[in-house]
This record gives sequence, structure tokens and C-alpha cells, in this order.
Amino acid sequence: AQSVTQLDSHVSVSEGTPVLLRCNYSSSYSPSLFWYVQHPNKGLQLLLKYTSAATLVKGINGFEAEFKKSETSFHLTKPSAHMSDAAEYFCVVSSPDSNYQLIWGAGTKLIIKP
Amino acid sequence: DTAVSQTPKYLVTQMGNDKSIKCEQNLGHDTMYWYKQDSKKFLKIMFSYNNKELIINETVPNRFSPKSPDKAHLNLHINSLELGDSAVYFCASSQTNEKLFFGSGTQLSVL
Repeated sequence: AQSVTQLDSHVSVSEGTPVLLRCNYSSSYSPSLFWYVQHPNKGLQLLLKYTSAATLVKGINGFEAEFKKSETSFHLTKPSAHMSDAAEYFCVVSSPDSNYQLIWGAGTKLIIKP
Repeated sequence: DTAVSQTPKYLVTQMGNDKSIKCEQNLGHDTMYWYKQDSKKFLKIMFSYNNKELIINETVPNRFSPKSPDKAHLNLHINSLELGDSAVYFCASSQTNEKLFFGSGTQLSVL
């Protein structure tokens, strides 16, 4: 069965320091993987997606994620956090396991300290 | 020029009432969705329509009835509202089954 696990419900970093949001997935097939961001009182926005091309995927706002098949991970990173990055981040997986429906992680709340 | 717009943004109502949430997209997408985000932030798909045809109908009480008058609109009607229906409901659209464009959400509070 397909699943996605975001390992941290909250991550707190200081402004200007690196960000790491962890995501592990399980899938019998090569999945498509996504990160979505939800800012307070706003809809969700696609940050980046992996669909079997380059394993290092660059997204908007300086975020990137690396697909590691051996570790079944798709962690989201950013070299330097900005106050505007404070939001909820969702890791999402899609594959033939679920008939290509999107399976959502529980979300990680990113808190940026000044 | 909002891509996916849903109204109202906030909806406060009493148990037992019937209410509707409207959604419209101007992206020319063929597929529209309703998602429910609960208090633990889990997002669960409720319905999906492709060209006005229902293609996904997850285990949702039949008090919830989606209506798609045309492919740019997907409204959600809820009968006999219950406390457990309180959540944020998101409308979304896509041209494929992958990249979704979301509305800003409707926060439903049932008292």
C-alpha cells in the first residue's frame, strides 16, 4: 500500500539558517512526489514535483528536494530560511498503487524565529 | 483574476442546517476536486469531477452532494450539518491528475 510520512509535525529554525523538512514514502512503483505549501488562511500552492526525471528538483522560493530511492525519501531543503517561509508544508505521493490519487502527508509546520 | 475561487471563506452555522459552498475555476481545467482538511491538518479527497462527470467519490456521508453545472464549477452541498463536519474545505482543479491549483479554503464551523 502507498503511504507518506512526514517525520516532524513542527520544525523551528532561525531566520537565515538552513531548513530541512523530512518526508518518507512507500510505493510499489516509481512514484511522483510533490511538496505543497499552505500559508496561514490561504490555499495550497505547489512548491515542486518529482516525476522520474532529475533526482534533485528545484522549486519556487529557493526550495529544493532530492529523491532518494534507496532511502525512500524526498526531503525538502532550503539553504537560508526567510520569515515568509513560515507555513505548513505537505509531502504528497502519487503512483499506480493508488490509481494516481494523491496521498497526503500529515504536514509539517515550519516556524521561523527572528 | 483568481484562478480557483471558492465562497464563502467562512461559514458558521447551526447543527441540522443545509449549506452550500461554491467553487469556480477560470483555468480551463477539466478536473475539479473537493478536499476536506481536518483539525489535524490531514487532507482527504472527497470528490473529483472530470468534465462534469463524477470520477472519485470517497467514503463520504451521503449528506454531502457535489454538483457540477459545467466544467468550470463544482459546488458542494451539505445537508443536516453535524458537529463533525467542522473543517476547512478546499476546492481544487487540474488539467492532469497531478498539479493541483487550490482555492483559498472555506472554514466551516458547525455549532
